[in-house]
Amino acid sequence: GENVEQHPSTLSVQEGDSAVIKCTYSDSASNYFPWYKQELGKRPQLIIDIRSNVGEKKDQRIAVTLNKTAKHFSLHITETQPEDSAVYFCAASLYNTDKLIFGTGTRLQVFP
Amino acid sequence: NAGVTQTPKFQVLKTGQSMTLQCAQDMNHNSMYWYRQDPGMGLRLIYYSASEGTTDKGEVPNGYNVSRLNKREFSLRLESAAPSQTSVYFCASSDPRGELFFGEGSRLTVL
Repeated sequence: GENVEQHPSTLSVQEGDSAVIKCTYSDSASNYFPWYKQELGKRPQLIIDIRSNVGEKKDQRIAVTLNKTAKHFSLHITETQPEDSAVYFCAASLYNTDKLIFGTGTRLQVFP
Repeated sequence: NAGVTQTPKFQVLKTGQSMTLQCAQDMNHNSMYWYRQDPGMGLRLIYYSASEGTTDKGEVPNGYNVSRLNKREFSLRLESAAPSQTSVYFCASSDPRGELFFGEGSRLTVL
């Protein structure tokens, strides 16, 4: 089955710096790769996603890159702000299903 | 439009007791899910339902059963609770693009 590994588990940055979170997946047939943000005590919410026919996608300060050959994808947050502090989860779909397998999460702390 | 609603929000059980977590969505989504969230383990899929009347095991199905009662409702049952099932449980549904919409979560403690 699909296995998704996520690194680092914690990340501390200064406000205004960039943050990068990386994930690898095992199933080469996976074709959908979303990122979820979970603030403390809240439910996870989608922030950006990418499909296997695209190499990069950007939405304001957030971007995701996908390398299908190497089976890894990354989340990039630029000009970080204190409200970016949260736990971020990557996920990958199982081939031809709606099932999502999540990584173990990255706790991002942005210090003012 | 409430989205995904799950109950109860908090529950304490003794080992061996049973309980059912209820989940309902009003977005007319076909797919529904139950995940559990444990510190350092991320979100692990327990069971999945692609449509009314169908269910499928996820990564960690042992000790759980599910029922997709109709298109709106997807319940998770613990027949004989164990301390290892202490966790936060999230129900979710997904839209045709694949975006998951989560409920607020149910915090379960098994003593």
